[in-house]
Amino acid sequence: DAGITQSPRHKVTETGTPVTLRCHQTENHRYMYWYRQDPGHGLRLIHYSYGVKDTDKGEVSDGYSVSRSKTEDFLLTLESATSSQTSVYFCAISEYGSFEAFFGQGTRLTVV
Amino acid sequence: KQEVTQIPAALSVPEGENLVLNCSFTDSAIYNLQWFRQDPGKGLTSLLLIQSSQREQTSGRLNASLDKSSGRSTLYIAASQPGDSATYLCAVTFTQGAQKLVFGQGTRLTINP
Repeated sequence: DAGITQSPRHKVTETGTPVTLRCHQTENHRYMYWYRQDPGHGLRLIHYSYGVKDTDKGEVSDGYSVSRSKTEDFLLTLESATSSQTSVYFCAISEYGSFEAFFGQGTRLTVV
Repeated sequence: KQEVTQIPAALSVPEGENLVLNCSFTDSAIYNLQWFRQDPGKGLTSLLLIQSSQREQTSGRLNASLDKSSGRSTLYIAASQPGDSATYLCAVTFTQGAQKLVFGQGTRLTINP
């Protein structure tokens, strides 16, 4: 299995609070992604990174920010959590060339 | 817009049957296509990766084909078993734009003993 660790695995937070999810990889892959998965919407890309300090927006980026200061870590921050951000969040990695993607186990976030 | 579509959304078959899941995509300019399996409440497990230059890939009872010109892929499961019950997701990495996966909505497969 690809070495991808997401933390925390579960989190309940209150509306308006900031939340940071962490994705850590041991594969030294260049590309890292954050997706959210919701019933009826499938998996949608939030943000992605193509290198250290190189990030860009996906299709559902509003209300989220990311940072990548090291190859192995990709952080997703909800600046002020809302109930619409209740979801399961997945991190993925891939490498230039094959672009085969590997996924973490997910973080279940509930905003109350 | 780059889109991936999976039909049917759900499929229920008796154990032992061979079955085919379908995936279609809107742009033939792709790096690869991946099939994933997802069990309820779990993460995504990669089943098969087909590069743009390939026509098919096989792993055990699974065979995936790719026809770029028609924008289609199929996942063939032979001699289905109850343990194959899961949601199967198709994802495409298009060459235009950023190198990110675009997912279909998935097919929820149930194999009845």
